[in-house]
Amino acid sequence: GENVGLHLPTLSVQEGDNSIINCAYSNSASDYFIWYKQESGKGPQFIIDIRSNMDKRQGQRVTVLLNKTVKHLSLQIAATQPGDSAVYFCAERAFNAGKSTFGDGTTLTVKP
Amino acid sequence: NAGVTQTPKFQVLKTGQSMTLQCAQDMNHEYMSWYRQDPGMGLRLIHYSVGAGITDQGEVPNGYNVSRSTTEDFPLRLLSAAPSQTSVYFCASSYSHRDEQFFGPGTRLTVL
Repeated sequence: GENVGLHLPTLSVQEGDNSIINCAYSNSASDYFIWYKQESGKGPQFIIDIRSNMDKRQGQRVTVLLNKTVKHLSLQIAATQPGDSAVYFCAERAFNAGKSTFGDGTTLTVKP
Repeated sequence: NAGVTQTPKFQVLKTGQSMTLQCAQDMNHEYMSWYRQDPGMGLRLIHYSVGAGITDQGEVPNGYNVSRSTTEDFPLRLLSAAPSQTSVYFCASSYSHRDEQFFGPGTRLTVL
């Protein structure tokens, strides 16, 4: 089946540094991508999304980059804070698919 | 709005017992889905629904049934619980399968 995965299962950064979390996907029909944040004991929460007609999208302190040529997605968090510590998932959907596919997640730990 | 609600929060079952996990949303979302999340892993889709009266299987549907008689509710039934079904279950909803999903707080299920 199609695969959506993350390059690194864990990432540790110093408070105030920028974080980059990566995701690779293999379904060339995917045209909608979402990043979710999951804090311990809670359900995933939407962070930012991007559609395939865009290369970059910015939110508050977060930026998502999409490289369709190499099927790669990244989430950049600026000035990482302790509250950013969580598991981050990427998810993708194809236009004709009725469901999302989630990657395994990257655990981000922010050191004070 | 209450968003997506799930009950119960915790449940312990014996092998062979049946039960229903409840999920409700008050956002008038057409799309609803059920995921399971095992320790250290991502989300795997069990069943989903694109609207009242319409359901379809995800990647791990065996041992689970769903129905969608109303837009608001999407219960998940375990027919005969097995230890392999020990997991955290998340319900999610969205306007359509092309939009971000809103997740409930999860049900932690243990099958002995």
